[in-house]
Amino acid sequence: EPEVTQTPSHQVTQMGQEVILRCVPISNHLYFYWYRQILGQKVEFLVSFYNNEISEKSEIFDDQFSVERPDGSNFTLKIRSTKLEDSAMYFCASRVGGRDEQFFGPGTRLTVL
Amino acid sequence: GENVEQHPSTLSVQEGDSAVIKCTYSDSASNYFPWYKQELGKGPQLIIDIRSNVGEKKDQRIAVTLNKTAKHFSLHITETQPEDSAVYFCAASLKGGRGGSEKLVFGKGTKLTVNP
Repeated sequence: EPEVTQTPSHQVTQMGQEVILRCVPISNHLYFYWYRQILGQKVEFLVSFYNNEISEKSEIFDDQFSVERPDGSNFTLKIRSTKLEDSAMYFCASRVGGRDEQFFGPGTRLTVL
Repeated sequence: GENVEQHPSTLSVQEGDSAVIKCTYSDSASNYFPWYKQELGKGPQLIIDIRSNVGEKKDQRIAVTLNKTAKHFSLHITETQPEDSAVYFCAASLKGGRGGSEKLVFGKGTKLTVNP
């Protein structure tokens, strides 16, 4: 069964460094999402992406964040200058057109020191 | 914006008993309500969902009910098994943005423990 994949599974970085989190959505899906989950808290929406542009973004998704679909398969989240409070699990999700179900990847645990 | 409340935060049951998790939402425009199961160290896995034009949906031991008037929906697990132990999240979908982004707004989660 097709799955969303994410790399790396765990990323440790120093405060102020740039990180890029990578996702490979399910191949025929058209809508892509990033969510994050701070330890012990709810999953929070960051951004949605469709037709090569951002559809919607949350207040969390400030100028330090960007997303890109550099080719036909990858979907990336970049954090330009990481802060301690960016430490969280970051989940990528995707959805096929015409259906509501979002399928999540296994997540990348980002630790900012 | 949409707000989803989920109760209880923890739930412990004996194997074979039923478990019920309840959620309320605030935005009457929400029309899609999925439930996700999250095991330790893994991503949320969709287990069942319901749309606002349906009152109840069942899939083997799992069922979801929706009361649009009261703006609440519930997950019912019957004949629980130890492998049902996980964190369960409810969510509501809010249509918005260009192209219908349909972001999910999640509840805080319920940690279900099924004791053998």
